[in-house]
Amino acid sequence: KAGVTQTPRYLIKTRGQQVTLSCSPISGHRSVSWYQQTPGQGLQFLFEYFSETQRNKGNFPGRFSGRQFSNSRSEMNVSTLELGDSALYLCASSLGLLADNEQFFGPGTRLTVL
Amino acid sequence: DQQVKQNSPSLSVQEGRISILNCDYTNSMFDYFLWYKKYPAEGPTFLISISSIKDKNEDGRFTVFLNKSAKHLSLHIVPSQPGDSAVYFCAAPLGANNLFFGTGTRLTVIP
Repeated sequence: KAGVTQTPRYLIKTRGQQVTLSCSPISGHRSVSWYQQTPGQGLQFLFEYFSETQRNKGNFPGRFSGRQFSNSRSEMNVSTLELGDSALYLCASSLGLLADNEQFFGPGTRLTVL
Repeated sequence: DQQVKQNSPSLSVQEGRISILNCDYTNSMFDYFLWYKKYPAEGPTFLISISSIKDKNEDGRFTVFLNKSAKHLSLHIVPSQPGDSAVYFCAAPLGANNLFFGTGTRLTVIP
């Protein structure tokens, strides 16, 4: 069974630009969560999507948004990029809601903002 | 405000010895804890978990201990192997709303 895939793996953008990251969950998984990993803050929860609806959101500004499609694939968008947005963005999928199910992580997208 | 803390950013251990990774938390509502292991260029993988009704959970070379009164948990790896070299995150879910992670501890096992 294929794991969680994320595209692209690496991305370089400049301040002010916007970026869209993509995540394909494990087949059959309906929940997709997004995380930001930085050296100083560790892993921080961004949001969770389940059945095309955002179920939970972490403490991030509105520049961070996402969506989920009917096939459970998810995209995350960051607008008006700032230098501090440079991070590894991880996507995780689970069968059901985050709280009740084990998550499986993708390899991440490394975003560098110059 | 970090509700789950890993105060040691790195740890080096000789192969064959015990590795002890520590994690502290502040929220007494946490009742379930997980440890994840992360290799470079890969996403975290689930390692072991513990429910607050237990104070110990063992899986092969990995044992997690929970001290609720001290709001402290630790992951013991014995014997440590070079392949255990990775970043270890502890995490705690809170209802259906969030999953709090520590900042991670980089373990290096020296052959």
